[in-house]
Amino acid sequence: DTAVSQTPKYLVTQMGNDKSIKCEQNLGHDTMYWYKQDSKKFLKIMFSYNNKELIINETVPNRFSPKSPDKAHLNLHINSLELGDSAVYFCASSHHGVGYNEQFFGPGTRLTVL
Amino acid sequence: DAKTTQPPSMDCAEGRAANLPCNHSTISGNEYVYWYRQIHSQGPQYIIHGLKNNETNEMASLIITEDRKSSTLILPHATLRDTAVYYCIVRRDFQGGSEKLVFGKGTKLTVNP
Repeated sequence: DTAVSQTPKYLVTQMGNDKSIKCEQNLGHDTMYWYKQDSKKFLKIMFSYNNKELIINETVPNRFSPKSPDKAHLNLHINSLELGDSAVYFCASSHHGVGYNEQFFGPGTRLTVL
Repeated sequence: DAKTTQPPSMDCAEGRAANLPCNHSTISGNEYVYWYRQIHSQGPQYIIHGLKNNETNEMASLIITEDRKSSTLILPHATLRDTAVYYCIVRRDFQGGSEKLVFGKGTKLTVNP
């Protein structure tokens, strides 16, 4: 069984379009994250949600809007896509609090904006 | 969170031990050392973490110096599947706080046959 899954795996779209990436975890975790890995392979946190509440927002443009319908899902909506949004986006999840240390990552979604 | 310094790349022969160093000279007393790796085109994978004692699990061993300013990740018998970028991350671990991981450039480990 896949622990953290993302759909789609690949996404190719035109500039200006709006797209969504879905993430689901079946680990019973209460915290979920979105990370972005750019062409230079730098991996950076974008958002973190704990029990559906936003706890980290790393100065991401407001064209990016995470939505957490429940603890098992954290979807990423991107409006007015730009060339610079091309990257691999990783979803992750973990338990929150002392003693829970490991973040589990999904397989990634490669977004290409043309 | 404290910054870490790692060599950009290392090579290791298959079957031999791979020793990956990490400097974290500004680490605070309440900060842990974490290691993750990213195999090509996959999501990062947790390996091990520690505070001040050496740690071992089924994947690797973590040796932290007594002053905690550096550490070494040891893969005892490297295989070709261990070829990946290895990230050393220092972060706090406190209840109620953020748990973001701050990734540096990591070390590209290539295991050669």
